[in-house]
Amino acid sequence: EVQLVESGGGLVQPGGSLRLSCAASGFTFSDHYMDWVRQAPGKGLEWVGRTRNKANSYTTEYAASVKGRFTISRDDSKNSLYLQMNSLKTEDTAVYYCARDPDSSGYKGLWGQGTLVTVSS
Amino acid sequence: DIQMTQSPSTLSASVGDRVTITCRASQSISSWLAWYQQKPGKAPKLLIYKASSLESGVPSRFSGSGSGTEFTLTISSLQPDDFATYYCQQYNSYPITFGQGTRLEIK
Repeated sequence: EVQLVESGGGLVQPGGSLRLSCAASGFTFSDHYMDWVRQAPGKGLEWVGRTRNKANSYTTEYAASVKGRFTISRDDSKNSLYLQMNSLKTEDTAVYYCARDPDSSGYKGLWGQGTLVTVSS
Repeated sequence: DIQMTQSPSTLSASVGDRVTITCRASQSISSWLAWYQQKPGKAPKLLIYKASSLESGVPSRFSGSGSGTEFTLTISSLQPDDFATYYCQQYNSYPITFGQGTRLEIK
């Protein structure tokens, strides 16, 4: 089955760190650009960032709101995508989704179920 | 950054109605626009990409049109399963940005 499954969410204090994972299955993970998108409670969708594939040197892009604090990485041998989140703020509280870009153009054809990150003291 | 503005924010309609949601970009994005449907507690689902291409498996009552700065998503005959929130998303340039969403509710 083609799917993405996120894990690693939870409660963390402001200033803390958390690492999210996204396990891919059912498709050739290494071919695809992969994104993280988040959604604060009751709010709309916000793109967090993306990693390109090996053919494009695994380069990354980030939203201004997370640049310098969040790092996206991938391990193609494990079919896994990661989001390292440092210096977390209360406004980072959201459901975090990983998503697959079907053709490297920018839309997202496959989404995981999401994992909730709560930043609170 | 390219700002995406959807209208209306909320739309009340009945089963069988034809409805249109508009998405405007703050600058030209050619046809690099996608539409998603999201139901409460669920991940978004891709409906339309490249402004007018229907994603595989999506019912043909959904259609998209537009280019440049103005785009529309049309549902030709609303079904009970269509009551959800809809988002547009531009992928012309980074950062990728979404509209604020349109909540489609039952009249």
